[in-house]
Amino acid sequence: QQPVQSPQAVILREGEDAVINCSSSKALYSVHWYRQKHGEAPVFLMILLKGGEQKGHEKISASFNEKKQQSSLYLTASQLSYSGTYFCGTAPMDSSYKLIFGSGTRLLVRP
Amino acid sequence: KAGVTQTPRYLIKTRGQQVTLSCSPISGHRSVSWYQQTPGQGLQFLFEYFSETQRNKGNFPGRFSGRQFSNSRSEMNVSTLELGDSALYLCASSTGRQNTEAFFGQGTRLTVV
Repeated sequence: QQPVQSPQAVILREGEDAVINCSSSKALYSVHWYRQKHGEAPVFLMILLKGGEQKGHEKISASFNEKKQQSSLYLTASQLSYSGTYFCGTAPMDSSYKLIFGSGTRLLVRP
Repeated sequence: KAGVTQTPRYLIKTRGQQVTLSCSPISGHRSVSWYQQTPGQGLQFLFEYFSETQRNKGNFPGRFSGRQFSNSRSEMNVSTLELGDSALYLCASSTGRQNTEAFFGQGTRLTVV
């Protein structure tokens, strides 16, 4: 089953914070986050493993709650370059080599 | 290090025809996954190949098939094309080990008329 992402879209002013959520109905082995800019290929941001660890990438960090099968991506002090569509990819426990992506969250950062 | 190469970049086909898309992964990568991307649907998983074997499969009809060669290059075939098959087809390359990042190609934009 495809994970559910929320919100579907968000508009920010430069410097504001945002949170993107990803929820799965299946037990997960890991959660992957990618960002895709218009007309470009998705680019890897980070992987979170079961165990609830939190990872960071510059001012972008994420957490994974394996009990709830939920992950959140935190964008702090957003920059114009953060604009794009964010996808979470989930690796189910029963087929962890298979990465199932959500429908994406469109983020627009304005000056 | 060369990235993931997908060919062709654009295709226009007529309903009922078949099409073959190609993906050359990053050197040393043994896993290739294919995704269909349409507006509002995100990235829909088609299948994943590892060392010439299909290791995982999504929920697409049998008209969608693929294969992987000994050099890890992969092809995806769609037979009896339908208008709804119009989409961006992306392939992702990885080592194939668990919890490793995937590198996406630029995709092939398929339009069925």
